[in-house]
Amino acid sequence: NAGVMQNPRHLVRRRGQEARLRCSPMKGHSHVYWYRQLPEEGLKFMVYLQKENIIDESGMPKERFSAEFPKEGPSILRIQQVVRGDSAAYFCASSPKEGYGYTFGSGTRLTVV
Amino acid sequence: GQQLNQSPQSMFIQEGEDVSMNCTSSSIFNTWLWYKQDPGEGPVLLIALYKAGELTSNGRLTAQFGITRKDSFLNISASIPSDVGIYFCAVSKQGGSEKLVFGKGTKLTVNP
Repeated sequence: NAGVMQNPRHLVRRRGQEARLRCSPMKGHSHVYWYRQLPEEGLKFMVYLQKENIIDESGMPKERFSAEFPKEGPSILRIQQVVRGDSAAYFCASSPKEGYGYTFGSGTRLTVV
Repeated sequence: GQQLNQSPQSMFIQEGEDVSMNCTSSSIFNTWLWYKQDPGEGPVLLIALYKAGELTSNGRLTAQFGITRKDSFLNISASIPSDVGIYFCAVSKQGGSEKLVFGKGTKLTVNP
């Protein structure tokens, strides 16, 4: 029973490049959440998606960031034209349905140089 | 935005000691959660609290949901070296299925 799978584990991008972070939820889970964690900080909510729908994107920066969860395949968090301030750990979590707690993946650590 | 005040920020204890940490909020929340994060990993849920006043145990861990729904504490009894890590409280308005607000964490170091 695989957990929430995130890849890559580590990603290095130069300023101005694009970063694509992938998240495969646990089997049977149709709800996906993305969080960002800066060093020495707690996790901050970014976006909540169900298959093909964005439910809550109140934590997403208005520019350069987008997320999708297509009918087939993993959820993708996309950051265009990365800047140094985007360097952080990005965590994905999934849950089977509303009203249940969720399980986090091991994260993708993005470093912008 | 909503903020949780988690304390202490860090703790250094000897193996075998008991540990207590807490979390407070200026707003009411219906779900309080405690997570542990090991270095390089995602948070793992330790205890979930859904009712005001609820006291729940998980092995050596005990957590309580404050009666005012604005605070919670986590106790760890007889600490062992593998308890090392960062402990986060988190809250949600509903059952924990939508967005969570996290505290800044308590970093625990256990000296053997």
